[in-house]
Amino acid sequence: EPEVTQTPSHQVTQMGQEVILRCVPISNHLYFYWYRQILGQKVEFLVSFYNNEISEKSEIFDDQFSVERPDGSNFTLKIRSTKLEDSAMYFCASGGQGAPTDTQYFGPGTRLTVL
Amino acid sequence: AQSVTQLGSHVSVSEGALVLLRCNYSSSVPPYLFWYVQYPNQGLQLLLKYTSAATLVKGINGFEAEFKKSETSFHLTKPSAHMSDAAEYFCAVSASKAAGNKLTFGGGTRVLVKP
Repeated sequence: EPEVTQTPSHQVTQMGQEVILRCVPISNHLYFYWYRQILGQKVEFLVSFYNNEISEKSEIFDDQFSVERPDGSNFTLKIRSTKLEDSAMYFCASGGQGAPTDTQYFGPGTRLTVL
Repeated sequence: AQSVTQLGSHVSVSEGALVLLRCNYSSSVPPYLFWYVQYPNQGLQLLLKYTSAATLVKGINGFEAEFKKSETSFHLTKPSAHMSDAAEYFCAVSASKAAGNKLTFGGGTRVLVKP
């Protein structure tokens, strides 16, 4: 069964450094998402992406964040200058048509630790 | 705007006993509701979803949920708990937008199954 994959599973970085989190969505899906979960808190929506453009983003998704689909398979989240409060589990998800009834398929997550 | 409240961050049940996980939502538009499960070191996996076709929804692994508009609830149940049901469960609501749809999650409920 197709699945969403994410690399790396764990990333440790120093404050102020750039990180890139990578995701391979399910191949025939059109919509891609990033969510994050700070330890002990809710899973929060960051951004949705369709047709090489951001379709929606949350207040969390400020200028430090960017997303890209550099080729036909990868979907990346870049944090330009990491802060301590960026430490979280980051989940990538993909969905078929972006309809509100669509199932979003989640990857296993990347745990980001900012020191 | 949408929000989800899950009552009880931890639930402990005996093997063979009823599992009941509570979810209440708030939505300014007709909601679509989802239950996801997360096993250790894995991504979120869809259990079931309410798409307005039927108020009683059956999902995988013997779980079901009933949408009650008057109570703004979508509680998840399983008649007989199994050891393999130990996991974290998330309720989520999606907005009725045309495309590019985000999920809003509850805080999650961690289920412990006692032998």
